[in-house]
Amino acid sequence: DTGVSQDPRHKITKRGQNVTFRCDPISEHNRLYWYRQTLGQGPEFLTYFQNEAQLEKSRLLSDRFSAERPKGSFSTLEIQRTEQGDSAMYLCASSFVPGLAPVEQFFGPGTRLTVL
Amino acid sequence: RKEVEQDPGPFNVPEGATVAFNCTYSNSASQSFFWYRQDCRKEPKLLMSVYSSGNEDGRFTAQLNRASQYISLLIRDSKLSDSATYLCVVPRGFQKLVFGTGTRLLVSP
Repeated sequence: DTGVSQDPRHKITKRGQNVTFRCDPISEHNRLYWYRQTLGQGPEFLTYFQNEAQLEKSRLLSDRFSAERPKGSFSTLEIQRTEQGDSAMYLCASSFVPGLAPVEQFFGPGTRLTVL
Repeated sequence: RKEVEQDPGPFNVPEGATVAFNCTYSNSASQSFFWYRQDCRKEPKLLMSVYSSGNEDGRFTAQLNRASQYISLLIRDSKLSDSATYLCVVPRGFQKLVFGTGTRLLVSP
């Protein structure tokens, strides 16, 4: 399977714990995005990388959240001191952007986080 | 006003029916748009891109009305397999997608 993969698919944690999610994009894609989706809502943008550089972060991304893409390939999203409000589906997407026009983003299956 | 607004539905239609969804957007500078489909507990997948006045792909037609700032999606001859949530998407800048809440479609036998 050459699509976007995410690990783990499900994570249950207790409030206050730290969690880390991993995303492996489609190999030739230079851009990687993180979104969060809660029930009944569309995905909300969190952050994106162009190769290894993190170019934009949403206001939704509090200081408890950190994302990295150290070698321009896979990415990790860490949430420290989780809160119940962090419970959501965390979606990763990737795209190849040769120019300026918006292009399709390919989404992974997501990591469903439940904070108890 | 939200950047992208959709009627959440659900729209309940019988097989074979024609159904249309509308989506309004607030940024008049937006040039391109997408419709994504999301099945229950699955990731969103691109259904159609809309770059000019509209686009057609088989039973699906997307139309763009720039003056009124809305995009529509028309599904003809609905199939049971069309049951899903349809997400209207407006790129902000060149790097991120702004999603509507989605419109849920239920096609019944």
